[in-house]
Amino acid sequence: GAVVSQHPSWVICKSGTSVKIECRSLDFQATTMFWYRQFPKQSLMLMATSNEGSKATYEQGVEKDKFLINHASLTLSTLTVTSAHPEDSSFYICSARDRRDGGLEQYFGPGTRLTVT
Amino acid sequence: RKEVEQDPGPFNVPEGATVAFNCTYSNSASQSFFWYRQDCRKEPKLLMSVYSSGNEDGRFTAQLNRASQYISLLIRDSKLSDSATYLCVVNGAGNMLTFGGGTRLMVKP
Repeated sequence: GAVVSQHPSWVICKSGTSVKIECRSLDFQATTMFWYRQFPKQSLMLMATSNEGSKATYEQGVEKDKFLINHASLTLSTLTVTSAHPEDSSFYICSARDRRDGGLEQYFGPGTRLTVT
Repeated sequence: RKEVEQDPGPFNVPEGATVAFNCTYSNSASQSFFWYRQDCRKEPKLLMSVYSSGNEDGRFTAQLNRASQYISLLIRDSKLSDSATYLCVVNGAGNMLTFGGGTRLMVKP
């Protein structure tokens, strides 16, 4: 149980285009999903917290107009990187918290590797 | 000061060795602590939670020292497959998980 999927697993796009990444909880409902970014040899940095049916909460320094988050249902959150640039190339990982789970455990998706050329 | 600090390593150890990692955290109000493992180009996976009384899972032992605000992970009889980055994770402000920078372990034959 507690499986989180991400799609696509990797994407290469040209500078200036937008890329949408999907995060799905496959066997549980997630009221809260998290989006992280990880640059090579660095730790995960939380970008935003996504709550179903409400606006995402962004961490300091993360541009909400550039990284659009939509948590439309209890099993799906999407992150859209708008007008991507090479510096946006990174490993994007989502995680989800089971709504039935009173603890803090987060279940991670396999990540999406974005390369902007 | 970072909220969660770890020695980045790498720790290079031979197979069969015992290795320990420490992690310090700044938020004294933190209540939950975890060790995650992350393989290269993969997502983090929960290795074990860390309880106040300390806990053991096979070759892995986790300890928590609240007074000094540090957490440790001990790996006994290291295997080649233990090579990975170990992330110390603490719940911080707003009950959000905060990740340390990770400690890289390389187990060599």
